[in-house]
Amino acid sequence: GAVVSQHPSRVICKSGTSVKIECRSLDFQATTMFWYRQFPKQSLMLMATSNEGSKATYEQGVEKDKFLINHASLTLSTLTVTSAHPEDSSFYICSVHGTGGEKLFFGSGTQLSVL
Amino acid sequence: GESVGLHLPTLSVQEGDNSIINCAYSNSASDYFIWYKQESGKGPQFIIDIRSNMDKRQGQRVTVLLNKTVKHLSLQIAATQPGDSAVYFCAETKRSNYQLIWGAGTKLIIKP
Repeated sequence: GAVVSQHPSRVICKSGTSVKIECRSLDFQATTMFWYRQFPKQSLMLMATSNEGSKATYEQGVEKDKFLINHASLTLSTLTVTSAHPEDSSFYICSVHGTGGEKLFFGSGTQLSVL
Repeated sequence: GESVGLHLPTLSVQEGDNSIINCAYSNSASDYFIWYKQESGKGPQFIIDIRSNMDKRQGQRVTVLLNKTVKHLSLQIAATQPGDSAVYFCAETKRSNYQLIWGAGTKLIIKP
């Protein structure tokens, strides 16, 4: 069964609105979660590393006020795209690294379309 | 959005033949390497991994080869099936932080 649940799988919103994406670890406690975005025909780009109970670490060029990350529990991290614009349209993916395992597990992704 | 002229390298293979997908990694300090399969509209799916202290690892129908001298990684898929059609990414990381560095991806097309 799925190890990581990402929701919603697809969202269409109007420009200027905010969108929240949830990433849940189902089988184990996840101290660290990663958020990626992916444009068509391109590789994944790491946006930020989310650590439970502390502030997320953002990659260079990623606006922390634009992409709000909350990792309030060991099983849930959320990414909120604030005041979304058409250029924010992308495929957003989370991944989870458990405390004991070595493999990284990925969510099914969220396709965001901003009109 | 999509960059003008950007395209994924493509490998076309006859059904039943073996596929070999290659990847050059960038960081000689990376100590853990992973191959992922990504189908359209879905998240990456783990295929196989290998640590830097190994040069070969086999799974079910898949084999990963690691050549640290030239920083090269390959994925071999035996008896390729239509369900193997996808984009394949290699990723490198350090087990100290698990921040992945992704390869560009290769689109595998299976010819009937």
